[in-house]
Amino acid sequence: GNSVTQMEGPVTLSEEAFLTINCTYTATGYPSLFWYVQYPGEGLQLLLKATKADDKGSNKGFEATYRKETTSFHLEKGSVQVSDSAVYFCALSDEGFQKLVFGTGTRLLVSP
Amino acid sequence: DAGVTQSPTHLIKTRGQQVTLRCSPKSGHDTVSWYQQALGQGPQFIFQYYEEEERQRGNFPDRFSGHQFPNYSSELNVNALLLGDSALYLCASSSQAYSNQPQHFGDGTRLSIL
Repeated sequence: GNSVTQMEGPVTLSEEAFLTINCTYTATGYPSLFWYVQYPGEGLQLLLKATKADDKGSNKGFEATYRKETTSFHLEKGSVQVSDSAVYFCALSDEGFQKLVFGTGTRLLVSP
Repeated sequence: DAGVTQSPTHLIKTRGQQVTLRCSPKSGHDTVSWYQQALGQGPQFIFQYYEEEERQRGNFPDRFSGHQFPNYSSELNVNALLLGDSALYLCASSSQAYSNQPQHFGDGTRLSIL
């Protein structure tokens, strides 16, 4: 079945550092890929998405590129802020964005 | 424009009891999905409702059941609660007419089983 694997956290960075959170997936066909963010006490917010190979999703300074050859969708940001501290989930959907399969999440802690 | 709303926010139950969680989808959405998020884990798909019927189901026992009403709102029912049912239950809504648009999530109901 479909699955998503994320790097374990927590990832601890200083403000303005470069961020990479690794995500790889296993799926049949051509899934759509997502990054969601969860702040404490809240639900999930869509951060960015990509629907086909080589697509780059971007939002709020975050970027991720759909790499079919390496089955990866790594999240990057050039300069993190304290306010980026949250849990980040990589996810895939194989049928029209309906059923989502999530990774286990990566907690990001950014210190001033 | 209200987003996805869930109630209650928190709930405490004991083993063996039954619980009902509620979800109102985002305006314009007609499909509701439910997810279980255990502490420190990613959300797991429970099931999805569209046109008042269960369309897809994840790997959850029959103790988990649901319902969708004509106004598209939905309920998640869990019978014979176990300690392992303690989790954050997330509702997500979407539109079949715009199936290329991602799901919107509510803030969840945190269920604690004593």
